[in-house]
Amino acid sequence: KQEVTQIPAALSVPEGENLVLNCSFTDSAIYNLQWFRQDPGKGLTSLLLIQSSQREQTSGRLNASLDKSSGRSTLYIAASQPGDSATYLCAVNTGNQFYFGTGTSLTVIP
Amino acid sequence: GAVVSQHPSRVICKSGTSVKIECRSLDFQATTMFWYRQFPKQSLMLMATSNEGSKATYEQGVEKDKFLINHASLTLSTLTVTSAHPEDSSFYICSAWLVNEKLFFGSGTQLSVL
Repeated sequence: KQEVTQIPAALSVPEGENLVLNCSFTDSAIYNLQWFRQDPGKGLTSLLLIQSSQREQTSGRLNASLDKSSGRSTLYIAASQPGDSATYLCAVNTGNQFYFGTGTSLTVIP
Repeated sequence: GAVVSQHPSRVICKSGTSVKIECRSLDFQATTMFWYRQFPKQSLMLMATSNEGSKATYEQGVEKDKFLINHASLTLSTLTVTSAHPEDSSFYICSAWLVNEKLFFGSGTQLSVL
């Protein structure tokens, strides 16, 4: 069974810093990997989707990479802002099932 | 991006009553819809997978008679919590998926059973 782990569980950084969130998975047989953010009491908002054949995807200040063979993905956030404070989750799609990481709670301090 | 509408966003009910939560994909036809439960500061727990026109597939430990899922069309799935009890209080989230596309989530429903 696929297991998805996110490290660190919580992260606090001053505004303006660049940061990296990590996601690792145990089975490299994936179709794609998706990064989400969740604000308290809200649903999940899709940030980036990386297909298994891709190495990275970029959207604004966000860059997600995927190394399928090593079972790792990273989410890079440039020039962090207080509005980036949220919980970030990665999800691995193995075909018709999605496996979620435990999330990283990010706090950006003004 | 695609929008998934989930209603109600918050519901408070008395113990023993039933509560229905709706999940609609507004601008696409979802191949599959998923229902999740989330406890405070925890990740999502998959409850069931729902395909249009067929019975939902429930995860181990989820009572199918308690959490009734109906997927009547490619754009609508409902979750009914029957005879709700305080231990059913939780945050419920739906998601809709089109094969090879992104997974889109509803905004969630906070259920409080008194």
